[in-house]
Amino acid sequence: LAKTTQPISMDSYEGQEVNITCSHNNIATNDYITWYQQFPSQGPRFIIQGYKTKVTNEVASLFIPADRKSSTLSLPRVSLSDTAVYYCLVGGLLTGGGNKLTFGTGTQLKVEL
Amino acid sequence: DADVTQTPRNRITKTGKRIMLECSQTKGHDRMYWYRQDPGLGLRLIYYSFDVKDINKGEISDGYSVSRQAQAKFSLSLESAIPNQTALYFCATSDNRGNTEAFFGQGTRLTVV
Repeated sequence: LAKTTQPISMDSYEGQEVNITCSHNNIATNDYITWYQQFPSQGPRFIIQGYKTKVTNEVASLFIPADRKSSTLSLPRVSLSDTAVYYCLVGGLLTGGGNKLTFGTGTQLKVEL
Repeated sequence: DADVTQTPRNRITKTGKRIMLECSQTKGHDRMYWYRQDPGLGLRLIYYSFDVKDINKGEISDGYSVSRQAQAKFSLSLESAIPNQTALYFCATSDNRGNTEAFFGQGTRLTVV
């Protein structure tokens, strides 16, 4: 299973765009890249998923370069309610016999006024 | 109603006691997972199951056991609880496609005294 590396924490202010980068140098051909958000004492919540190039939904954008060895989660115009831990996961059906959904320690995003 | 339901939501138990945490899902997913989360840390995988007849150990299975009673039910047991098993426990489900979108329960806060 591809190992991921993210910054431990990031700080931002309301209204700013936040970009969180995840490194996954040994990503496999069949792996997808998925980001989750977790608020305190709640289970993680799916944000966005992609395989290559750019994916955008109502919450965020995900940028994946051609080599797929990294990805960037972009949160436009953050608010205080975006303060959470963000996890990057890579994996797919054929990875090690099946995806084990392995979470790292994530990135703690703190948004201030 | 929640797609993934964990019971109980909170539990205090004594050292040495046996305790079972239950998880049920209405997503129709084959894959189910149990995680624990300690303060300030990410999620660590305890056990996972890709179908009713499949059980696999995760990163930290020692001291835990599981039972997959049906596609919709996955229980986690602590045979003899110890204080360092005090944590927040999450159950999750996902489907069999080549992606990693998972759905989490609300969590069970377990305290072993």
